[in-house]
Amino acid sequence: GAGVSQSPSNKVTEKGKDVELRCDPISGHTALYWYRQSLGQGLEFLIYFQGNSAPDKSGLPSDRFSAERTGGSVSTLTIQRTQQEDSAVYLCASSLGVGIGAQPQHFGDGTRLSIL
Amino acid sequence: GQQLNQSPQSMFIQEGEDVSMNCTSSSIFNTWLWYKQDPGEGPVLLIALYKAGELTSNGRLTAQFGITRKDSFLNISASIPSDVGIYFCAGRYAGTASKLTFGTGTRLQVTL
Repeated sequence: GAGVSQSPSNKVTEKGKDVELRCDPISGHTALYWYRQSLGQGLEFLIYFQGNSAPDKSGLPSDRFSAERTGGSVSTLTIQRTQQEDSAVYLCASSLGVGIGAQPQHFGDGTRLSIL
Repeated sequence: GQQLNQSPQSMFIQEGEDVSMNCTSSSIFNTWLWYKQDPGEGPVLLIALYKAGELTSNGRLTAQFGITRKDSFLNISASIPSDVGIYFCAGRYAGTASKLTFGTGTRLQVTL
């Protein structure tokens, strides 16, 4: 598609279960980012990929969170043993590259995660 | 995580009025971006700024990259009902090639 695609759009799961969130970036975009947005808040950076490697994982809140990217395209964000505080909208963005003057990031519509 | 100071938090204005919102940072930025987010959707890029002092327009929207590189403002002229939404500033700190730091958002309500 033309834009960043995320799935599922909504996910409800029980506390303690693992969840996988998927992001399909814009074709040709080498950089991919994950952000988290809690209710009524701004976006909080989690991790970014350049190709298949993740030079910056500084925003991952705990070791229950992990992400991978394969083939320089699709990325999966995994949350293990979910907790209620993990409830948020998880947004993915992609851009042509990184660095000064890099093209700005374009966002998907997010996955709304609710932990019961 | 670290966030920018964005103000005002919310605004109620009448259709046709001009709107101004701004963001400030304690650190120097090399990029400022302004996004709009509608309910249930991801942020949509409005304007990107890459140089201190840069003034850029996109239709009724105008944004400026502050000379000190620590602030930016967004103006919307002659507001219309579809301007309703949450506006976020975002910036890339000098020396950070990747992640964006986001403001807390300005919720705009436009009344007829």
